[in-house]
Amino acid sequence: AQRVTQPEKLLSVFKGAPVELKCNYSYSGSPELFWYVQYSRQRLQLLLRHISRESIKGFTADLNKGETSFHLKKPFAQEEDSAMYYCALATGANNLFFGTGTRLTVIP
Amino acid sequence: DAGVIQSPRHEVTEMGQEVTLRCKPISGHDYLFWYRQTMMRGLELLIYFNNNVPIDDSGMPEDRFSAKMPNASFSTLKIQPSEPRDSAVYFCASRTRRDRGPRKDEQYFGPGTRLTVT
Repeated sequence: AQRVTQPEKLLSVFKGAPVELKCNYSYSGSPELFWYVQYSRQRLQLLLRHISRESIKGFTADLNKGETSFHLKKPFAQEEDSAMYYCALATGANNLFFGTGTRLTVIP
Repeated sequence: DAGVIQSPRHEVTEMGQEVTLRCKPISGHDYLFWYRQTMMRGLELLIYFNNNVPIDDSGMPEDRFSAKMPNASFSTLKIQPSEPRDSAVYFCASRTRRDRGPRKDEQYFGPGTRLTVT
């Protein structure tokens, strides 16, 4: 069965420090992984997806099939990065399985 | 486009009462999803529809929960009778078919309905 694990419910870093939000998945097929973000008083929205290999707002995420991980990283955190982050797995079906989320707080 | 619209934004009700949450997906989207968000369990998929037909309702917690999509522009999630443990934020999301467009995988979320059952 598919599963997405985000081990940290809360994560605090200082402004300018590197940040890494961890995500591990379990899926027997070929995974498609995403990061969604919810800023305060805004809707949950797509941040990035692994197949695009893109950097959005300075964030990157590399799919590591050997470690079944898809950690979200940013070298220098900004205050505006404070938000709730969800890792999500798309299976061959049409739905997404979300992790429990990590609330990132960037301390000024 | 106003995006996915949900109503009400907040709902406070007493245990045992019926609650109906409403969702209007983005026009032209083929899929509609209902999620529940809690601190303990994060974001859980309850049910999703394709072309107004329920495809997977395995996430619906109990028979007290039911969802309908009478047409392409409207869906409801009903809880009857409601219980305090149903208190959560309920999100509706929609997306187009996965083979359409550059952002075909992206689900567009509504603002959510915060439900409190006392």
